[in-house]
Amino acid sequence: SQQGEEDPQALSIQEGENATMNCSYKTSINNLQWYRQNSGRGLVHLILIRSNEREKHSGRLRVTLDTSKKSSSLLITASRAADTASYFCATESIGDDKIIFGKGTRLHILP
Amino acid sequence: ETGVTQTPRHLVMGMTNKKSLKCEQHLGHNAMYWYKQSAKKPLELMFVYSLEERVENNSVPSRFSPECPNSSHLFLHLHTLQPEDSALYLCASSQDLGAGEAFFGQGTRLTVV
Repeated sequence: SQQGEEDPQALSIQEGENATMNCSYKTSINNLQWYRQNSGRGLVHLILIRSNEREKHSGRLRVTLDTSKKSSSLLITASRAADTASYFCATESIGDDKIIFGKGTRLHILP
Repeated sequence: ETGVTQTPRHLVMGMTNKKSLKCEQHLGHNAMYWYKQSAKKPLELMFVYSLEERVENNSVPSRFSPECPNSSHLFLHLHTLQPEDSALYLCASSQDLGAGEAFFGQGTRLTVV
């Protein structure tokens, strides 16, 4: 069953601009994760934010979590052509150890 | 390279064939997963294994049969598949259930003809 819902479904921006993707979910969670997938390949884990955290940084990535709104955002600053990929949020719900993914956002960085 | 290896990378099979997908991890992880990724759909969790025991079967048709002979290996046996089963099949592992980060293999692109 789907848990996360990413928004927008697709995003095209110029290289150097910032890209923001959002994720909404339905249940109470232990943590929320963001993954990246290059076309037809496996997913790569980017960052995990726990339910008691509000913001986390990793390099050019910034993730926020608002548990009251059941939403998260992923910000990629100073985008590069190599950031072109699909980005997925995934959640682990309380009492359920499974990692459930959303449909993803397709990000295209224009040169 | 995530440490999770899937073979084959591509597979074309007829509806009457029997084939198997293989997943291998030497990360010392205790949990392993099979996901199905179809076009324009979210990743669908198919099976979950923890310490070689199946803990989840998400209403997957019996033509998909998983096997976990040890904590490093996971198979997905395929039999009498349908064209709509064509998809990217992804294997993942994590340290334990509920441990957070999952490590994914590169996937097997399956085409059923």
